[in-house]
Amino acid sequence: DAKTTQPPSMDCAEGRAANLPCNHSTISGNEYVYWYRQIHSQGPQYIIHGLKNNETNEMASLIITEDRKSSTLILPHATLRDTAVYYCIVKTGANNLFFGTGTRLTIIP
Amino acid sequence: DGGITQSPKYLFRKEGQNVTLSCEQNLNHDAMYWYRQDPGQGLRLIYYSQIVNDFQKGDIAEGYSVSREKKESFPLTVTSAQKNPTAFYLCASSIDFQTKNIQYFGAGTRLSVL
Repeated sequence: DAKTTQPPSMDCAEGRAANLPCNHSTISGNEYVYWYRQIHSQGPQYIIHGLKNNETNEMASLIITEDRKSSTLILPHATLRDTAVYYCIVKTGANNLFFGTGTRLTIIP
Repeated sequence: DGGITQSPKYLFRKEGQNVTLSCEQNLNHDAMYWYRQDPGQGLRLIYYSQIVNDFQKGDIAEGYSVSREKKESFPLTVTSAQKNPTAFYLCASSIDFQTKNIQYFGAGTRLSVL
C-alpha cells in the first residue's frame, strides 16, 4: 500500500471550510484514497473514498489531483463536532487499512 | 440499530491473566477485524477474518488469539504472553474482503493492566 503524508495538526474557524491535504506520491493506478476520522476515544468513522474523480457525499468532498499524487478532503462548513483526527489511507489488494497518525483538526469557535 | 458492539468499554487485567474482548455485529458482514491503538498512534492490525471459521494474523498477532465460530461474533483474547497489553482495542467489519469495501468500527475497549 502506498504511504501517505499528512500535516500533524490544523485549525479551522467554525463555519468555514476545512481543507485537509494528503500527499500520496507513490500511489499506483488501482489504489483508492480513503478518508476516515476519529473523534477522541471513539472508533474511526468512514468519510469518503475515491479513485480518480472528485467525490462528494453528505459529509465531505474529496478532490484528487490529476496525477493522483495528492488529495484534499473538504468539510464545507466546519462545526465544533468536526474536531477529530483525520486519516488519509491509500490501499489496494487485501482489505487491511493502514492508519498512520493523521491530522488533528481543531475547529475554533 | 445496525452496528458493531464492543464490550466491555473498560477492562482491567491482572498479571498472568487472559482476558477476552467481545465484538458483535448485526450488519451481516462477512469480514471482521481487530486493531490495537496506542496513545497518539495510528491503528495496527492484530487479526482479521474473511469468513466464518477462518482468520488470519495481522501485523501484531503475538500474544493474541481469536475465534470466528459465528458470522456475527469475533472475540479477541489477550493472553498472558502479551507483555504490554495496555491499549485501546477496536473491532471493525466490512461487507466482504474486497478492495473497495468500507470498514465500520465499534466504540472500542480500553484495556489496562493492574
